[in-house]
Amino acid sequence: AQKVTQAQTEISVVEKEDVTLDCVYETRDTTYYLFWYKQPPSGELVFLIRRNSFDEQNEISGRYSWNFQKSTSSFNFTITASQVVDSAVYFCALSRGSTLGRLYFGRGTQLTVWP
Amino acid sequence: DSGVTQTPKHLITATGQRVTLRCSPRSGDLSVYWYQQSLDQGLQFLIQYYNGEERAKGNILERFSAQQFPDLHSELNLSSLELGDSALYFCASSVDFGTSGLSTDTQYFGPGTRLTVL
Repeated sequence: AQKVTQAQTEISVVEKEDVTLDCVYETRDTTYYLFWYKQPPSGELVFLIRRNSFDEQNEISGRYSWNFQKSTSSFNFTITASQVVDSAVYFCALSRGSTLGRLYFGRGTQLTVWP
Repeated sequence: DSGVTQTPKHLITATGQRVTLRCSPRSGDLSVYWYQQSLDQGLQFLIQYYNGEERAKGNILERFSAQQFPDLHSELNLSSLELGDSALYFCASSVDFGTSGLSTDTQYFGPGTRLTVL
């Protein structure tokens, strides 16, 4: 069975602080894909990043960075120098590397960045 | 803007009623997925269509049904509505479920339809 756990329900930081959102996944598949989505207060789900299970290289995109570690089944997301506009719910998701494309989502982490 | 459109944005109805949610995928995308987001269950996969054919089913109730039309737009039909069906319903699309049988494509989500059952 596939499972994604985001243990942090809510995180509050002050602007310019760095923050890391944790994601732990479970799967028996050797091929799989991991995703992060952002859900701002307006409600839409915005795609942030996709990684496949064969690529453990960390990725940086501006203030965002992702750390994928297969040894600990984790795919953590760090925001550097957080801004008020980063306030949102962030979801980690897993897709099996098979013919089924459905996403298995974690419960999300509500990030609030205070000015 | 993801390029996926959903209508209506909001829907308020009464228990026992039937509603239809509509989704237009991004241009060129063949796969459409439906998800339900509720406080109790979080984001749950309901059903997937690929080029008009049902591809996968998740936790979709028998009272719910969906279809994908030749122009690739999709509709989710919810009947005999109950209070617990109140949720945000998302549609997502991707190019296809992957080449060589591998699911590689990113799903892009529409803005959602917020359903309130009174």
